[in-house]
Amino acid sequence: GENVEQHPSTLSVQEGDSAVIKCTYSDSASNYFPWYKQELGKGPQLIIDIRSNVGEKKDQRIAVTLNKTAKHFSLHITETQPEDSAVYFCAASKYGGSQGNLIFGKGTKLSVKP
Amino acid sequence: EAGVVQSPRYKIIEKKQPVAFWCNPISGHNTLYWYRQNLGQGPELLIRYENEEAVDDSQLPKDRFSAERLKGVDSTLKIQPAELGDSAVYLCASSGTGLAFFGQGTRLTVV
Repeated sequence: GENVEQHPSTLSVQEGDSAVIKCTYSDSASNYFPWYKQELGKGPQLIIDIRSNVGEKKDQRIAVTLNKTAKHFSLHITETQPEDSAVYFCAASKYGGSQGNLIFGKGTKLSVKP
Repeated sequence: EAGVVQSPRYKIIEKKQPVAFWCNPISGHNTLYWYRQNLGQGPELLIRYENEEAVDDSQLPKDRFSAERLKGVDSTLKIQPAELGDSAVYLCASSGTGLAFFGQGTRLTVV
């Protein structure tokens, strides 16, 4: 089955700097890659996603890149703010009409220092 | 529009006792998931429903866990009897034709 590896497990940046989180997946049939943000005591919140027919997607300060050949994808947050502090999870699934099973990485705890 | 609603938010029980969690998905979402999230880990799938049908329950410990989704809407996840290792956050998520949305979860503590 699918296995998703996520790095780093913790990341500390200064406010205004960029943050990058990387994930690799094992199943070449996976074609949908969402990113979730989880704040303390809350459920994961979808922040951006990308499908395998696209190499890059951007939404304001957040961007995701996908390299299908290498089977890795990354989350980029620019101009970080203290409210970006949270745990971020990448996930992979085989999307075919329905969502399929989302397989998650172990998470990255991002701390943005003011 | 209301999101995925789960109850209770917190539950503390003694080991060997039963416990049940309830999930109301987003209206119109056919796909419903139950995930378990251990402290410091990512969510791990327990079961996925497409309407009333459990299409993937391969990760559900069937000796003590059971789930149902009557009428393809609300779902209940039950543990009987609970063990100390079941302490975790139980997350429900639902999906229409694309994005999966999560509820706030139920934090279970088994003592």
